[in-house]
Amino acid sequence: AQKITQTQPGMFVQEKEAVTLDCTYDTSDPSYGLFWYKQPSSGEMIFLIYQGSYDQQNATEGRYSLNFQKARKSANLVISASQLGDSAMYFCAMREALYNAGNMLTFGGGTRLMVKP
Amino acid sequence: NAGVTQTPKFRVLKTGQSMTLLCAQDMNHEYMYWYRQDPGMGLRLIHYSVGEGTTAKGEVPDGYNVSRLKKQNFLLGLESAAPSQTSVYFCASTFVLADADEQFFGPGTRLTVL
Repeated sequence: AQKITQTQPGMFVQEKEAVTLDCTYDTSDPSYGLFWYKQPSSGEMIFLIYQGSYDQQNATEGRYSLNFQKARKSANLVISASQLGDSAMYFCAMREALYNAGNMLTFGGGTRLMVKP
Repeated sequence: NAGVTQTPKFRVLKTGQSMTLLCAQDMNHEYMYWYRQDPGMGLRLIHYSVGEGTTAKGEVPDGYNVSRLKKQNFLLGLESAAPSQTSVYFCASTFVLADADEQFFGPGTRLTVL
């Protein structure tokens, strides 16, 4: 089974509108962390936001927020007031604690977001 | 601080040739990783290292070898390149002192095997 699933291969959003990028995960580990990365067309990987499984509140970082629904095993990224520079690939990733001596991340397949002017 | 750097940025190989990709980080991170990213896909872990002198296999290790002789460097080797190894290779590093410690990525190496 896929550990991280991003069901939206591509999405469009109008500039200045909010957009939600979906991420569902599968783990039996009670301790885990969820990360979102942005990959613009230039190719680099940019860390956006982190959510821990024990965090009581949803994470926020500027225009980015994470809609964390633990029971549903979803960690959707919300980008408010989209900008043209938000056009990029977005990856959700998970780090489990158990049997993970290397603190490895498992990545989803990504969602390509395109912001329309 | 240069962060994570990768050498080279681009490379074209013929089938059967060998090469080494170099990753260097100046953040004193203990953990380092090599990933590959195929078109339209997420990153998959090839090998990783939890400290100088130690390496371990990730999800897709076949056809690759690694070495971590110095804490700041992590080398990825292809002994006999195959077209299936055409990909973009990313190196990453992290502290992992806190749960929220993210991985820092290099700019990537685009490798084409003909």
